[in-house]
This record gives sequence, C-alpha cells and structure tokens, in this order.
Amino acid sequence: EPEVTQTPSHQVTQMGQEVILRCVPISNHLYFYWYRQILGQKVEFLVSFYNNEISEKSEIFDDQFSVERPDGSNFTLKIRSTKLEDSAMYFCASRATGGGMVTEAFFGQGTRLTVV
Amino acid sequence: AQSVTQLDSHVSVSEGTPVLLRCNYSSSYSPSLFWYVQHPNKGLQLLLKYTSAATLVKGINGFEAEFKKSETSFHLTKPSAHMSDAAEYFCVNIRTYKYIFGTGTRLKVLA
Repeated sequence: EPEVTQTPSHQVTQMGQEVILRCVPISNHLYFYWYRQILGQKVEFLVSFYNNEISEKSEIFDDQFSVERPDGSNFTLKIRSTKLEDSAMYFCASRATGGGMVTEAFFGQGTRLTVV
Repeated sequence: AQSVTQLDSHVSVSEGTPVLLRCNYSSSYSPSLFWYVQHPNKGLQLLLKYTSAATLVKGINGFEAEFKKSETSFHLTKPSAHMSDAAEYFCVNIRTYKYIFGTGTRLKVLA
C-alpha cells in the first residue's frame, strides 16, 4: 500500500541552527501539506503546496519557514533558525486531486524535532 | 468558517463496552468530514470519511460514524472496545482543501 514517508524520525538540533525535514509523498498525489503538533496540543496546519507553489499558509508559517519540492518525489520543510518553541512533531501529508471530489489526506509517521 | 469541536478531551471505557466519541461541525455548506486515529508515537491513520454519499459511514477496525445534519454532528462509535483502540482520535473538517483538526479525544480502554 502506498504511504507517505518522512525522514528523519527524530531530529535534535541546537537553537539557531537550520533544519530540513524531508518527505516523500505518495507518487500520484499533487497536493502536499505540512502540519505540526506540539506535545499535548492539537494538530496545526502550517502550509499547503500545489502546482509548485504555496497555496495557503498559516500564521505560524513565517519567514523562518520554507517549503520546496526539489525534484519529482521529495517535499521538504526548512526552518532557517530554529527556536525552542519549534520543538514539535511535524507531519507531512499528501492528497490526490480527487477529480472534483474531496479526498482524504495521507499522513506520514512524523518527524519529532527537538530544539535544545 | 468550517471547523470541528470535539466535546470530550478524554473518554474512558471498559474493554468490551461501546465507544462514543463526539464531534460537532460547523460548515456553511455540505461538509467533508474525517476521523483519524493516532496511536502513541505513531502517525495519523484515517479511520473513515464522510463525503455526502451515505450518512452512516463504516471505517476500519469496526468503527463507524453517523452524519446528522440536523444536529451538525459526526460522532464516532464502536460497539465493543478493544485494548488496542486506546489512542487519540481526531475529527477533521475541510476548509478550502485545508484539513482542520479538532482538539482530539484521548480514548482509554480499561481491562
């Protein structure tokens, strides 16, 4: 069964360092997402990406964040200068176009980012 | 605006008894609704989805949910809880193709 894969599963970084979280969406999907879940809190939308550009982003997704689809398979989230409050589980998701029907998002297993 | 409210942050049931996890939605038009489950230290797995084809939706692992427009609800049920059902459950709505998560309900299953 196709699945969204994320690497690494855990990342520890020092405050102020740059991190790149990687995702391989399901191959025929065209919509991509990043969400985050701070420990004990709700799952929050960060950004959606379609047709090689950001389609929507949240207030959380400030200038420190960027996304990229560097090739035909990877989808990355970069945090330029990490802060302690960026510590969270980050989920990548992808969705098929659905041919006009709304379809479900498929989520990866997540990357747990710890900023120290 | 489309959103969801999960009415219980924690639910405890005994193994073998029914499960009811409540979700109310708000939507200016016919919503698309989902239930996802997150087991400890795991990712988010789709349990079931409602996209207006049928009001009673069957999902995986014996879960089902009923869409009730008059009550703006989409409650998740299971006739008999199993220990492996212990997890966090999220009701999810769609807004402009963005998935909006409820605050989650942590289900505890007692032996």
